Amino acid sequence: SQQGEEDPQALSIQEGENATMNCSYKTSINNLQWYRQNSGRGLVHLILIRSNEREKHSGRLRVTLDTSKKSSSLLITASRAADTASYFCATPLQGAQKLVFGQGTRLTINP
Amino acid sequence: DAGITQSPRHKVTETGTPVTLRCHQTENHRYMYWYRQDPGHGLRLIHYSYGVKDTDKGEVSDGYSVSRSKTEDFLLTLESATSSQTSVYFCAISVLAGGDEQFFGPGTRLTVL
Repeated sequence: SQQGEEDPQALSIQEGENATMNCSYKTSINNLQWYRQNSGRGLVHLILIRSNEREKHSGRLRVTLDTSKKSSSLLITASRAADTASYFCATPLQGAQKLVFGQGTRLTINP
Repeated sequence: DAGITQSPRHKVTETGTPVTLRCHQTENHRYMYWYRQDPGHGLRLIHYSYGVKDTDKGEVSDGYSVSRSKTEDFLLTLESATSSQTSVYFCAISVLAGGDEQFFGPGTRLTVL
């Protein structure tokens, strides 16, 4: 089963609005990462938040992490058409040399 | 995608034929990964490498083999392609082990008829 699962599976909003995506995971982690994938392209790393951090910002992105609830959220503020993409959370399997990805949230920004 | 290339970018083949996909990096990163991406399954790890000639299996390794004879190249071979291996294949690299940021290639779209 997936370590990380995003919610919602799809989200459609108007340009300029904020978009929030959530990720839940099952086991203890030392970090959680968010990636973006534009249609037909590879994934691009957006942000990494460590288990001892509660919130992190990068430009219009804000990520929160609640280790007690085993959940994270990604907020994109003032959305733009170029933000249309799929967004994935990823967590490292404890003791393993690999990341496990969720199935992603498909975000559509309408002009 | 800078520093990582995949070849071919598109391939159509027939069931039962062997297929080799190549991932090439110019970053000199130690760790390399092969994933497949399918609707409803997200991204799943096939194999990964933690150094030259050092590889290990991921969660969906059956029917696939890999080789890494040089730091910059990681080859994925489908020994006898099946229709269930129709997918988009991504290579990724990282400096440190799996918990580190990964950089992805542009992907290879493989269709097995």
